[in-house]
Amino acid sequence: DTGVSQDPRHKITKRGQNVTFRCDPISEHNRLYWYRQTLGQGPEFLTYFQNEAQLEKSRLLSNRFSAERPKGSFSTLEIQRTEQGDSAMYLCASSLGGWDTDTQYFGPGTRLTVL
Amino acid sequence: AQSVTQLDSQVPVFEEAPVELRCNYSSSVSVYLFWYVQYPNQGLQLLLKYLSGSTLVKSINGFEAEFNKSQTSFHLRKPSVHISDTAEYFCAVRENSGGYQKVTFGTGTKLQVIP
Repeated sequence: DTGVSQDPRHKITKRGQNVTFRCDPISEHNRLYWYRQTLGQGPEFLTYFQNEAQLEKSRLLSNRFSAERPKGSFSTLEIQRTEQGDSAMYLCASSLGGWDTDTQYFGPGTRLTVL
Repeated sequence: AQSVTQLDSQVPVFEEAPVELRCNYSSSVSVYLFWYVQYPNQGLQLLLKYLSGSTLVKSINGFEAEFNKSQTSFHLRKPSVHISDTAEYFCAVRENSGGYQKVTFGTGTKLQVIP
């Protein structure tokens, strides 16, 4: 049973560049979540997919951020015109759904550093 | 809106000593509660969860947490810690209010086990 995977694990970019991260959820999970975690903080919710539909977005997700899950399997998170404040760990999680089984399982994260 | 408070940012404890990591939450409806653990350079792993039923829940590696509704707490305890327990621990809450319920994380407590 493979867990949630994320690629790349680390990304260093210059301010103003665009970056894209990928998340592959656990295969039978239909819900997928993106979080951002900065130093000394817990994960903060960014957005959520039920299959291919993006059902909720946080106000943290500015218009420079876009997420997709085109076939209801893997998801991508793109940040355009990166800023130094975007430096953080970006976490992906997935869950099966259902009130008692809707437990989120996390990937290892992508650490973004914007210079 | 729901919130989670982990007052202790760091907890040093000697090996084989007991430990308690505190978590308090705020919500206007019933909640589900979780503890996640994050080892260095790894993603979050689910440690234990309270969904319903017995208020005392246990993990496979000796941790336990008790849901106390009157005190709105979900403290994590272990009677005897090991070096391998050194990690950051996050308490999280999800409201039981129908539809999609966002998970809110605390700021984390770093457990440092001293040999």
